[in-house]
Amino acid sequence: GAGVSQSPRYKVAKRGQDVALRCDPISGHVSLFWYQQALGQGPEFLTYFQNEAQLDKSGLPSDRFFAERPEGSVSTLKIQRTQQEDSAVYLCASSLNPSAKNIQYFGAGTRLSVL
Amino acid sequence: GDSVTQMEGPVTLSEEAFLTINCTYTATGYPSLFWYVQYPGEGLQLLLKATKADDKGSNKGFEATYRKETTSFHLEKGSVQVSDSAVYFCALEGGSYIPTFGRGTSLIVHP
Repeated sequence: GAGVSQSPRYKVAKRGQDVALRCDPISGHVSLFWYQQALGQGPEFLTYFQNEAQLDKSGLPSDRFFAERPEGSVSTLKIQRTQQEDSAVYLCASSLNPSAKNIQYFGAGTRLSVL
Repeated sequence: GDSVTQMEGPVTLSEEAFLTINCTYTATGYPSLFWYVQYPGEGLQLLLKATKADDKGSNKGFEATYRKETTSFHLEKGSVQVSDSAVYFCALEGGSYIPTFGRGTSLIVHP
C-alpha cells in the first residue's frame, strides 16, 4: 500500500478484555516498530521486528503484551487482560531496512480506551 | 540513558509570525537528530533531520541546526501558516535504531 495502515483506528475495551491491534507496513519494508503514546507524551518504544524476527522487546511494559509478525509483513500487537493504564495510542512504524539513518514511516495509530 | 526535552506548549502564534520550538538532548556519542510533525488524526511524519554536528536540516521552510556545544536542535520557521498547526516532536537516535522522542509541542496558528 501507499503507507502504513493500522486497524482499528479506535478500540474501546472493558477492563480484563483481550485486544488485538493490526499493522500493515509499507510493502517490502524489513523493519517494523511498535510504540505506545500516552496522552500528551511522545511515543515510547515497545518492540522491534526485522522481518519475522522480534529482535527487541525491551519496551513491552508487562507480559500481558505480546507482538508477532509471522510472515515478515503484517504485525499484530496483542494485549491480554487489559487494564486502564493501557489506554493510549499505539503507533506502528516501518522502515526499509535496519539502518540507524533510515526514515521511519508511521501509521495513524490505534487509540485504545480501557473502561 | 538518552533523553529529549522540548519546550512545553501550546505555542500560539498569528499567521506570518516567527516560530522557535526549543529542543535539547542528552545522549552518549553522536546521535542523529530529528523533527517529526503530527497533524490532527494522522501519524508522525519526518519533517527534517541532521546526522552530525553543525548540520542544518530543512524542509517546507522549517530549519534546525545540530549544535553539539549546546546539545540543542531548535526548530525555526520564519513565517508560519495556519496549515502549520500541528504537534512537533524532537527525537534522537543513538547507536541503535530506536529513537527517543520528546513530549511534543503543540503549535496553534491563528489567521
